[in-house]
Amino acid sequence: NAGVTQTPKFQVLKTGQSMTLQCAQDMNHNSMYWYRQDPGMGLRLIYYSASEGTTDKGEVPNGYNVSRLNKREFSLRLESAAPSQTSVYFCAASSPLHFGNGTRLTVT
Amino acid sequence: AQTVTQSQPEMSVQEAETVTLSCTYDTSESDYYLFWYKQPPSRQMILVIRQEAYKQQNATENRFSVNFQKAAKSFSLKISDSQLGDAAMYFCAYRSLIYNQGGKLIFGQGTELSVKP
Repeated sequence: NAGVTQTPKFQVLKTGQSMTLQCAQDMNHNSMYWYRQDPGMGLRLIYYSASEGTTDKGEVPNGYNVSRLNKREFSLRLESAAPSQTSVYFCAASSPLHFGNGTRLTVT
Repeated sequence: AQTVTQSQPEMSVQEAETVTLSCTYDTSESDYYLFWYKQPPSRQMILVIRQEAYKQQNATENRFSVNFQKAAKSFSLKISDSQLGDAAMYFCAYRSLIYNQGGKLIFGQGTELSVKP
């Protein structure tokens, strides 16, 4: 039972490049979330999906898009990466949250 | 909007001693959940303990217990008999029970706990 799986674990991008962070859960939960973690700021919600087919903005949505492809998968896309998006990204499912292992993204 | 505040960026404890991590929150809601998560250097987020606001009894999980003061909006975590493996970042989190809030968690800034042998 893998729980929440997110890929990749590490990524380095140049400013302006795009990428998609993938997340999948095998727990049949309706709700899924994307957070970013920055030093001294805790985890801040980027986007969430309360159920398949719905997505809502969180606290820091600017510069990101999401897709809830089906009940299992919830992806996060950076269309034009900026250095301010250097962070650790976590996908989570359900509540209380089951977290993936995070993606460390560096934008140079 | 709800907020969660952890005012201690860093804490230190001697192995086998007891340490308390502080958390305060702000909400106008009467029912909600509170959580403590542990994040070791592996980056994994691990649920330590949860508290339902309607329950007066403080939650406990082995060496971990909370002091939930609803009127004061305070939710501290006590770690007894601290072990080297307790060294981690600890996050306090709040969850609204209002349906249209989507079950999201609001996190505090975190407290880095070090354990001295």
